[in-house]
Amino acid sequence: DVKVTQSSRYLVKRTGEKVFLECVQDMDHENMFWYRQDPGLGLRLIYFSYDVKMKEKGDIPEGYSVSREKKERFSLILESASTNQTSMYLCASSFGGRAASGANVLTFGAGSRLTVL
Amino acid sequence: SQQGEEDPQALSIQEGENATMNCSYKTSINNLQWYRQNSGRGLVHLILIRSNEREKHSGRLRVTLDTSKKSSSLLITASRAADTASYFCATVQTGANNLFFGTGTRLTVIP
Repeated sequence: DVKVTQSSRYLVKRTGEKVFLECVQDMDHENMFWYRQDPGLGLRLIYFSYDVKMKEKGDIPEGYSVSREKKERFSLILESASTNQTSMYLCASSFGGRAASGANVLTFGAGSRLTVL
Repeated sequence: SQQGEEDPQALSIQEGENATMNCSYKTSINNLQWYRQNSGRGLVHLILIRSNEREKHSGRLRVTLDTSKKSSSLLITASRAADTASYFCATVQTGANNLFFGTGTRLTVIP
C-alpha cells in the first residue's frame, strides 16, 4: 500500500522553539508539498519541491523553510515557532516534476497537528 | 488567487438522499479534482475531470464541469453515513503544477 508518512500526528511546542515536521513517501514521486489547514481558510500551500534539493515558495512561506536532501523525504522547518503557526500541517506528493502537464493527483499524509503555546 | 470556493459550506442530509456540492474558481484550469477528508485526517483523492471533459462518473460519484461558468459540481448518490466528511475541490491552473484548494463543504449524512 503506497504511503505518505508524517512523523508526528500531534506536537506541542513552545514559542521560539525550532520545529521539524518530517514527511516520507514510498512512491518514488518527484513532487512533494507542504500545506497548512485552518478552519475557514482551507488548505494553503507553504512550500513545494519538484526534485531533490529544489524548493519553491507557495502562498504562505513566511516563517517556514524546507529541506529536500533525498527524493523520498521533505521536511518542513519552523525556525522559531509562533502561536499563529498552530495548525494542521499536511504533506502530499505526486508524480510529474516541473515539466508535468498538470494532471497531478496528490497523495496526502495523515497530517500533523501542531500546537504552539 | 486561484482558490476555489465550495458551496454550501455545510450540508446535512438523511441516509439514502443525494448530496450535491458546488465549486467555483477564478482562472482557466488544466483539470479540477475532488478530495475527501475524514475528520482530523489527510485528504483522499476521489475524482479528476479534465478541462475538455464535461461529466465524469465513479461509482456513486458524478462530477460535472462547466468551464464557461468556471464551476463544477460533485453529486453523491444514495448517500451513506460513511460519506460523512469534508469535501474539497482543487484546481490545477493552466500551465502550472500546483493544486489550489477551496475551503470545503462539510457533509453530514444522518443514519
